[in-house]
Amino acid sequence: LAKTTQPISMDSYEGQEVNITCSHNNIATNDYITWYQQFPSQGPRFIIQGYKTKVTNEVASLFIPADRKSSTLSLPRVSLSDTAVYYCLVGPPGALNFGKGTSLLVTP
Amino acid sequence: DAGVIQSPRHEVTEMGQEVTLRCKPISGHDYLFWYRQTMMRGLELLIYFNNNVPIDDSGMPEDRFSAKMPNASFSTLKIQPSEPRDSAVYFCASRTSGSYNEQFFGPGTRLTVL
Repeated sequence: LAKTTQPISMDSYEGQEVNITCSHNNIATNDYITWYQQFPSQGPRFIIQGYKTKVTNEVASLFIPADRKSSTLSLPRVSLSDTAVYYCLVGPPGALNFGKGTSLLVTP
Repeated sequence: DAGVIQSPRHEVTEMGQEVTLRCKPISGHDYLFWYRQTMMRGLELLIYFNNNVPIDDSGMPEDRFSAKMPNASFSTLKIQPSEPRDSAVYFCASRTSGSYNEQFFGPGTRLTVL
């Protein structure tokens, strides 16, 4: 599984756009980039997944440059309820290595 | 749909006792995963099954841990004997073959070993 590096923590104010960048220099050809969100005392929840370029859904956008060595999760206009841990995972369909993720704190 | 079901939700036991955690995946899902989460190590994959067959158990910490999936709707994770360092939240997740890496997680079992 490809090793990923993402910030340990981030802070934001309500209403701002939050971008969390993940580095994955040794990504393999058949690897997908997947992001999960975890609230306290809950299991992780799938947010978005992509292979290249840009993917957008009702929750977030995922930007992947041509070399695929990094990716950025973009959360538009965050609210207090977006306070959570966000995990970047890179790998083929199969097992995932979550690690410790990025702890996002949204304040008023 | 009920989602992934785990039992018990909380378990407190004494060192040396056997602990069995249970998981019922979402109907129709053919992959099942067991994870362990601690503050120190984050969320770690322990083992996963495909069509009830263990595919990768390299994350199982030691021989005290074992997992089984006797049928498509049930899996167990057993720790025997349990130790205080096994205290963690254990998650079960499932997915379909075609969903790539979109896994659905259960609520977890919080295990405390005294």
